[in-house]
Amino acid sequence: QLQLQESGPGLVKPSETLSLTCTVSGGSISSSSYYWGWIRQPPGKGLEWIGSIYYSGSTYYNPSLKSRVTISVDTSKNQFSLKLSSVTAADTAVYYCARHIVVVITIDAFDIWGQGTMVTVSS
Amino acid sequence: SSELTQDPAVSVALGQTVRITCQGDSLRSYYASWYQQKPGQAPVLVIYGKNNRPSGIPDRFSGSSSGNTASLTITGAQAEDEADYYCNSRDSSGNHWVFGTGTKVTVL
Repeated sequence: QLQLQESGPGLVKPSETLSLTCTVSGGSISSSSYYWGWIRQPPGKGLEWIGSIYYSGSTYYNPSLKSRVTISVDTSKNQFSLKLSSVTAADTAVYYCARHIVVVITIDAFDIWGQGTMVTVSS
Repeated sequence: SSELTQDPAVSVALGQTVRITCQGDSLRSYYASWYQQKPGQAPVLVIYGKNNRPSGIPDRFSGSSSGNTASLTITGAQAEDEADYYCNSRDSSGNHWVFGTGTKVTVL
């Protein structure tokens, strides 16, 4: 059964770069049917899509975060990663990684999620 | 518009039916997916596409769409259905995704 697990520092200083990794187990990240996504949720607030990546490296980013976000994939390690630069307190959130299935262009979903990891931005 | 709008909260009596709606221009072109999130847990996909349920999701959950509105219906709501529900879809550009504002469902 496919599982995703986020890892990375739980505390990041303002103006620094947040770095998280999602390890995929029980299946290959190189499957042509799937993208891989990052979603975050500030405390007490709703979900925000950060970006998605295809195993080939094609990326899609939330326009509101695009200038600060980099998502990359390492197929040899079956992992994909998130980097968010110049963080502020507003970036404090639970960060989730998820498998992003695209059935056809009009039908897609985040069908398997990691448990999430809390990242706090504070000095 | 790249926004998906949901009612903040709805309530339903145990065993009754509740419909949660999601409105946005992009829903005229793309189907929504729906997620259930309970406190302290990761979201769970409950409906995607025209009306597809992942394995393990009870058949009391169903989806529909008309014009700029997608709907999630819970027929015969159970106590364990009390949760936050989010819709998600591509935005009008087709190259980005956006989540709805979320609806808190209370089962009375």
